[in-house]
Parts: sequence; C-alpha cells; structure tokens
Amino acid sequence: KQEVTQIPAALSVPEGENLVLNCSFTDSAIYNLQWFRQDPGKGLTSLLLIQSSQREQTSGRLNASLDKSSGRSTLYIAASQPGDSATYLCAVTKMKTSYDKVIFGPGTSLSVIP
Amino acid sequence: GAGVSQSPSNKVTEKGKDVELRCDPISGHTALYWYRQSLGQGLEFLIYFQGNSAPDKSGLPSDRFSAERTGGSVSTLTIQRTQQEDSAVYLCASSQWVMNEKLFFGSGTQLSVL
Repeated sequence: KQEVTQIPAALSVPEGENLVLNCSFTDSAIYNLQWFRQDPGKGLTSLLLIQSSQREQTSGRLNASLDKSSGRSTLYIAASQPGDSATYLCAVTKMKTSYDKVIFGPGTSLSVIP
Repeated sequence: GAGVSQSPSNKVTEKGKDVELRCDPISGHTALYWYRQSLGQGLEFLIYFQGNSAPDKSGLPSDRFSAERTGGSVSTLTIQRTQQEDSAVYLCASSQWVMNEKLFFGSGTQLSVL
C-alpha cells in the first residue's frame, strides 16, 4: 500500500529565506509526483508535476526534485515571500493496475513572516 | 467551464438527513476524483471515475456514501443518514486521461452536520 509522508508538518521562516519541504513515498512504482498548494478555505492548486522519468521541474522560484529509487521528493522555494504562506501537499500517482490513483501526503503548513 | 465547479460551497444539515454534493469537472476531462478533508487532516480518497469504466469505490467509508457520474461529466456524491463525523470539506478534482496530466481541484463543499 502506497503511503506518503511529509516533513516537517509545519514550518515558519522569515521573509527572504530559502527553504526545502520534504515528501517521502513507500512504493517507487509511480507515474508521477505533484506538488500542490492549498490556501485556507480553498481547494488545491497544482504547482509542479514531475514525471517518473524526470529528475526535477522548475517554475519561477519553485524547484521540485524527484528521486524515485529512494522514494523522495523535495520542493525548494527560493527567496520566500509572505504570499507563499499556505499548506503544501505532495501527491503520487500510482502505477496503473486497474486504475491510477492519486495519493496525498498530509501536507506541510508554511508561514513566511514579514 | 474555466475550472472545476462544486456546489453548494457550504451545506449545513441535521444529523440523519441525506445530502447531495455536485461537481462539474473541466470540459473534456475524463478522470474525476472525490476526496474528503477533515479539519487539520490530509486528503482522504473516496472514489474515482475514469471515462465509462466502473468507478473505483475503494475509498468510500461506508455504504451511506455513494457517487455517480452522468454522461461522463457531472458527478454527484450522496451521503445518506448523515452523521456528525461526516462533517468535512469534500473536494472534487478532474484531469484529462492522458498520463502525467495535472489534477485540477474545485473549491470544495464545506459540510457541517449538526
């Protein structure tokens, strides 16, 4: 059974700092890994998707890496801003048996202090 | 539509009543997911629809929960004889059935069972 964990559960940093969020998954048979952002009371917004054959993806100040063999992904946020404050969730899409299924981690709550 | 639409955005009901939650996926998206998010918790998979295939219902917590998808588009999640523990945000997401496509979420329905 695929399990996804995220460390830390919560993180508070001063504005401008670079930071790393961690995601681990137990079953390396995945199609892809996605990082999402969730603002309070809102749905999830997809930030980056890394295919299983890729090592990393970048979008603006965000960089996500994937090490499938070790079951790990990191989300790097450069020069953090107060607007980055949100919960960040990673999710893996299981390798297809009958159906693909997207499994989410519990999230990391990020606070960027002005 | 421009995005995934869910209605109602908020629903307050009395214990024992039935409720229906609606999801309109992005036009052309064949994959549709329902998730539940309890306060301070991660996303719990409920059910997955893919085209005309039989849905993956493995996440439904009890037989009081059911979902259907009509015409491969709109989906309705029904909860019968609601209980207080059903209180949560119910999120719907859709994607194209092409591997490595991002998941797009609606804003969710906040269900409160009194």
